[in-house]
This record gives sequence, C-alpha cells and structure tokens, in this order.
Amino acid sequence: DAGITQSPRHKVTETGTPVTLRCHQTENHRYMYWYRQDPGHGLRLIHYSYGVKDTDKGEVSDGYSVSRSKTEDFLLTLESATSSQTSVYFCAIKLGGTANTDTQYFGPGTRLTVL
Amino acid sequence: QQQVKQSPQSLIVQKGGISIINCAYENTAFDYFPWYQQFPGKGPALLIAIRPDVSEKKEGRFTISFNKSAKQFSLHIMDSQPGDSATYFCAASKTSGTYKYIFGTGTRLKVLA
Repeated sequence: DAGITQSPRHKVTETGTPVTLRCHQTENHRYMYWYRQDPGHGLRLIHYSYGVKDTDKGEVSDGYSVSRSKTEDFLLTLESATSSQTSVYFCAIKLGGTANTDTQYFGPGTRLTVL
Repeated sequence: QQQVKQSPQSLIVQKGGISIINCAYENTAFDYFPWYQQFPGKGPALLIAIRPDVSEKKEGRFTISFNKSAKQFSLHIMDSQPGDSATYFCAASKTSGTYKYIFGTGTRLKVLA
C-alpha cells in the first residue's frame, strides 16, 4: 500500500459544512494526488501536488481546495459541502527517489456522504 | 484529446474463459499505460503496465496488447477465475511533468464459477 493512510475512512456530513480529508504518506514522496470515484465516471483528478506548497488543479477542482504544508500530508478541503460531492475519495502517490516509478499507488479511500 | 475510452462497461465470463477489456486514447503524447484492479471497498491496485515501445506485455495470466497506430490497448485475462471478479480501470499518462493519469470509466468483471 506504499505507506498511504487516509482519514477519516467514512464521514457523513450536512450540506454547507466544511470537510477536510487527510492523506498521509510515510516515505516522503514528492507527488501526491486526490481523486474522486463515481459510478460511470471512473477516477477523476481533483488536485495534485508536486512538492511542499506546490499544488495545482485537476479536471474536477471546483468546490475543492488543497494544502500541503509538509511532505507527508496532503489535505483536501470541501469549503461548503454539497450533495454532488458525495463520493469516494482516493489519495495516490507516485514513488520517487530510489524507488522512482511512473506508477501511482492508491490509499484505501474515504467514503463521504453529504446529506 | 485527454479522454480514455474504456469498454465494455460490464463483462460476464465463465470460469476458465478469456476476459478482454479495451481502451482507446487520443493524446499521442501519452507514454505509460497502466491497468488497475479494484475490489469492493478497496483502493485501485496496479495490475500490469505497458509503454508504447512494445506491443505486448505478459505477467502470469494477464496480458496487455498495445496498438500504437490505432491508439488502442487491451487487457486479456486468460483462464479467468472467480477471484478475478473486480472492477478494472485502464489509464494513460505522460511520464514527465506532473505524471497525471487519465482514467477510463471502468469495467466490472464477473467470473462465474
């Protein structure tokens, strides 16, 4: 699992509330990604990071923000959750350094329900 | 130009049969094509990947066939087993810059015992 943890694993929240999801890696890899998975859409990139404080938007970034203040943590925030953001969220990393590879490794996911 | 089209959406195969899933891409700059397997409640896990300098790659019962001129690649699962029942995703990426993936929409495979 490339040392990736996501928290929380499940969350139910109400429309309009802020929500923060956390992705933590233990091996100081540079590239980290947030995806959402929805039936019929596969995995879609929300935001990604290529280093501390270096982030950029993916294809479905509206309504989401991210922060990366240290290498091991990549936070995804829904500023004001909407029902359309009900989804399963996955974090992924690309191994670098001595384990350099073009492969992305995924965390276990967070199931978010917005009522 | 950024889409990856995957088919079929779902597939039912008898035990011992061959499962075939197809993907097509548009962007000729893509140079890395992984396949992921996902079981319910789990994150996607890399199954096998190919680069465009080869036309085929085999790992055990899993084979990727790659057709660069047609911009298509496919996953073949030989001797399919009930334990192969999962959702499969193809993806495409450029191995430079941000290494972003574009995923297909997934294929739900069910192998009947």
